Amino acid sequence: EPEVTQTPSHQVTQMGQEVILRCVPISNHLYFYWYRQILGQKVEFLVSFYNNEISEKSEIFDDQFSVERPDGSNFTLKIRSTKLEDSAMYFCASSEEGNEQYFGPGTRLTVT
Amino acid sequence: DAKTTQPNSMESNEEEPVHLPCNHSTISGTDYIHWYRQLPSQGPEYVIHGLTSNVNNRMASLAIAEDRKSSTLILHRATLRDAAVYYCILRIIYGGSQGNLIFGKGTKLSVKP
Repeated sequence: EPEVTQTPSHQVTQMGQEVILRCVPISNHLYFYWYRQILGQKVEFLVSFYNNEISEKSEIFDDQFSVERPDGSNFTLKIRSTKLEDSAMYFCASSEEGNEQYFGPGTRLTVT
Repeated sequence: DAKTTQPNSMESNEEEPVHLPCNHSTISGTDYIHWYRQLPSQGPEYVIHGLTSNVNNRMASLAIAEDRKSSTLILHRATLRDAAVYYCILRIIYGGSQGNLIFGKGTKLSVKP
């Protein structure tokens, strides 16, 4: 069964550094998403992406964040200058028609 | 954000049916009712969704009240693997919005052997 994959599984970075989280969505899916979950808290929507552009973003997704689909398979989330409060699990998801979303296993980001 | 109300936690015995309730009294006519679950240390997993009619799939059934102000996710025979946090989410589609998922706290389901 096709699945969403994410790399790395765990990323440790120092405050102020740039990080890029990578996702490979399911191949025939057209809608892509990033969510995050701070330890012990709710899953929070960050951004949705369709037709090579951002379709919606939350208040969390400020100028420090960006997304890109650099080729036909990868979908990336970049954080330009990480802060301690960016430490969280980051989940990528994809959807064929915008209904059911299929989530990846997540990347644990630790900012020290 | 559209509001859903779920119990914080529920317990079930293995191999028994589980009925997970959700109230969504402010639902609008075009809002879809989605259910996801999150197993420990994993990403959310799609379970089922519906609009007005009851829905069945290989994982579960979704019973939607006639007035759509509440719904119930039914797991027909709980297994230990079903222990997870279950989220009832209203997916609101308006204008150009895709109707992104806004997660609440969900119901933590424990399954006893």
